[in-house]
Amino acid sequence: EPEVTQTPSHQVTQMGQEVILRCVPISNHLYFYWYRQILGQKVEFLVSFYNNEISEKSEIFDDQFSVERPDGSNFTLKIRSTKLEDSAMYFCASLPGQGLRETQYFGPGTRLLVL
Amino acid sequence: DAKTTQPPSMDCAEGRAANLPCNHSTISGNEYVYWYRQIHSQGPQYIIHGLKNNETNEMASLIITEDRKSSTLILPHATLRDTAVYYCIVRPRSNDYKLSFGAGTTVTVRA
Repeated sequence: EPEVTQTPSHQVTQMGQEVILRCVPISNHLYFYWYRQILGQKVEFLVSFYNNEISEKSEIFDDQFSVERPDGSNFTLKIRSTKLEDSAMYFCASLPGQGLRETQYFGPGTRLLVL
Repeated sequence: DAKTTQPPSMDCAEGRAANLPCNHSTISGNEYVYWYRQIHSQGPQYIIHGLKNNETNEMASLIITEDRKSSTLILPHATLRDTAVYYCIVRPRSNDYKLSFGAGTTVTVRA
């Protein structure tokens, strides 16, 4: 069964550094999402992306964050200048958007640790 | 979005049915009930969703009350691998709509 994949599985970075988290959504899916989960807290929505543009973003998704779909397969989340509070699990998700089973499929996540 | 209320935790014996309740008394007519689970910090996994009719798939059954103000997720024969946090989420059936996760119910299946 097709899966959403994410790389790296773990990332350690210094405060102030830029990080790029990568996701490969399920082929032929049209809607893409990023969520994050700080340790011990709820899964929080960050941003949704469709037709090469952001369709919705949360208050968390400030100017330090950006998303991109640079080619036909990858979907990336960039954090320009990481803060300690950006340490979290980051989940990518995709959704078919073709009138089929309309549910989001999540990747395994990237654990980001900012020191 | 309609909010949901779930018990924070519950235990279940292996091999027995697990019945997970969810209240969503402010649900509106175009909103579906979705269930996801998260096993130990893995990515959330879709289980099932429904509008007003009961639904069943290979993982679980979803029973929605006639007034749609509450629902129950049933895991028919719980296994140790079903230990997870289960989330009940109400959202419109629109593709481009975020999932709003609450705290969910932590289900522990015991041998």
